[in-house]
Order: sequence, then C-alpha cells, then structure tokens
Amino acid sequence: AQSVAQPEDQVNVAEGNPLTVKCTYSVSGNPYLFWYVQYPNRGLQFLLKYITGDNLVKGSYGFEAEFNKSQTSFHLKKPSALVSDSALYFCASAQSGANNLFFGTGTRLTVIP
Amino acid sequence: DAGVIQSPRHEVTEMGQEVTLRCKPISGHNSLFWYRQTMMRGLELLIYFNNNVPIDDSGMPEDRFSAKMPNASFSTLKIQPSEPRDSAVYFCASSRTGVNQPQHFGDGTRLSIL
Repeated sequence: AQSVAQPEDQVNVAEGNPLTVKCTYSVSGNPYLFWYVQYPNRGLQFLLKYITGDNLVKGSYGFEAEFNKSQTSFHLKKPSALVSDSALYFCASAQSGANNLFFGTGTRLTVIP
Repeated sequence: DAGVIQSPRHEVTEMGQEVTLRCKPISGHNSLFWYRQTMMRGLELLIYFNNNVPIDDSGMPEDRFSAKMPNASFSTLKIQPSEPRDSAVYFCASSRTGVNQPQHFGDGTRLSIL
C-alpha cells in the first residue's frame, strides 16, 4: 500500500526563523514525491518534486526538500520564514506506472510576525 | 498560459437538486483529476481521466456521482440527487501524462447543499 504521513497538523514559526514541515512516505519501489501549497480559497500549487538524482530538491519561493531514503522522509524546509508563507502544505506521493497522487492530510503553517 | 478553469466558483442549492460542476483543463494536458476537499476527510481523489478515458473511479462516493470528459478541453462532475453531506470544495486538476508530471489545480467550486 502506498501512503504519505504528515505527523503535524499545525506548525508555528517566527518570521525569519527556519521552518520544517515533515513528511514520511510508504511506497513500494522508487518513490515520486511532491510538495504542494494551498492558500485560502485557492487550489493547490506545485512547489517541488523528487523523482531521482540529488537528494536535496529546490523549488519555488525559496523552499527545498530533502529526500532521505533510510528514514523514508521528505521534509520541506526554508531557511528563513516569511509571514506570506502561512498556508496549508501537502505532501504527496506517486508510484511508478500510476498517474494519480496520494496526498497527506496537510500541515497548516503559521508564520508569526 | 491560462490555468485550469472551474465553474461555478460557488454553488448553493437545495438537497435533491442536480448539480453540475465544470472544468477546462490546461491545453496540452492529457490527464484530468477531480478531487473533493472537506475538513473531516481532507483531500480525496474522486476520479481521473487519461486521454479523455476514465482510468480510476474508485473514489466516486456512490452512484449519485458521475463524471464525463467528452473532449480534451472539458469535463463535468455531476451529482444527482444532491445531499447535504456532498457539501465540500471540489477541485479539478490537470497534468501531462506521466507520474513525474505535477498537477495544476483550479481554484475549486465551493458547493453547499442545504
């Protein structure tokens, strides 16, 4: 079975501090991993993906994520949080040969001024 | 480049009525997905199409829900008859074919069934 888990429903961080949003995955075979962000009253927006290659993936708005095979994790990070980063973040996985994504339950990030 | 376009953005109707949600995917995208988002259940995949053909409809809640994609530029999700528990935000997304292709989401239809 394929799944992703986001263990934190809510993450609060002070503006200017580094942020981490956690994600672990369970995928048979090589995982395809994604991060999406959702702002209020909007659809999800693609941030970044890991398919193969470098474990550190850089994406939009200064976000990056690190693929860790031994820990089956794909945590989203940013060195310095902005108030405008406050949103709902979704981790997702896909399986080779399939076209659909499995989404996590989402983590609400609040950046405090 | 226009994104995924959904209509209407908001729909309020009484239970028992038929509801039709519409989606125009991004030109050139071969795959189209319908999702439902609620506080209780999060984001659920209802159905997805590849090259206008339904590939997996296992997420469709029951026979009251149906989806069609008559051509590459249009899809509908229909609920008949509607029930209050169908109230949710419904998203359409499209992508190029391939598991490594990111999905592009519309801004959703907020559906309220009274």
